[in-house]
Amino acid sequence: AAGVIQSPRHLIKEKRETATLKCYPIPRHDTVYWYQQGPGQDPQFLISFYEKMQSDKGSIPDRFSAQQFSDYHSELNMSSLELGDSALYFCASSLGRTSEQYFGPGTRLTVT
Amino acid sequence: DAKTTQPPSMDCAEGRAANLPCNHSTISGNEYVYWYRQIHSQGPQYIIHGLKNNETNEMASLIITEDRKSSTLILPHATLRDTAVYYCIVPKNRKLIWGLGTSLAVNP
Repeated sequence: AAGVIQSPRHLIKEKRETATLKCYPIPRHDTVYWYQQGPGQDPQFLISFYEKMQSDKGSIPDRFSAQQFSDYHSELNMSSLELGDSALYFCASSLGRTSEQYFGPGTRLTVT
Repeated sequence: DAKTTQPPSMDCAEGRAANLPCNHSTISGNEYVYWYRQIHSQGPQYIIHGLKNNETNEMASLIITEDRKSSTLILPHATLRDTAVYYCIVPKNRKLIWGLGTSLAVNP
């Protein structure tokens, strides 16, 4: 079965640079969620979109923005990167706004 | 918020049943209990969820007490690939709030 696709899988950036992470949900899933997981920490909810509109907002920094496009894929844009942004970023998708979410493999962002 | 409490770690012998407990004593009547797991550095994986009836799927069984204050996730025949951190979550407004989870080690 098709799963959530995230790209890139690994990304290395320098401080103050920008990064864009992409997420392609499971076909027919209309809701996308973004999570950040720092080293040795639990995942933290950042933001979600349902039918291309922002649905819920978590602990997403103001330097980050995200959107969901007409084909339901989503992009997380991160600017003025800081060392503390180094983390795994997971995208999840669901059919409708539900807590039964299916996660992608993650993007490992390293900020140097 | 319906917070959950889980033991930090558990061990299980391969082939045996793994029973992972979770306390959620402040759960409200219409709140579901969800279980996820995360194998090291992989994306979390949905396992099962329930409201008040026991549930079973191809991965696991979920037993919820009658008062709904606790539940147990059962992996009937644990394998080495079931070694992971298991999270019991009561979502808040559909948001998954991740606690510390239980680190399950399945030993040969």
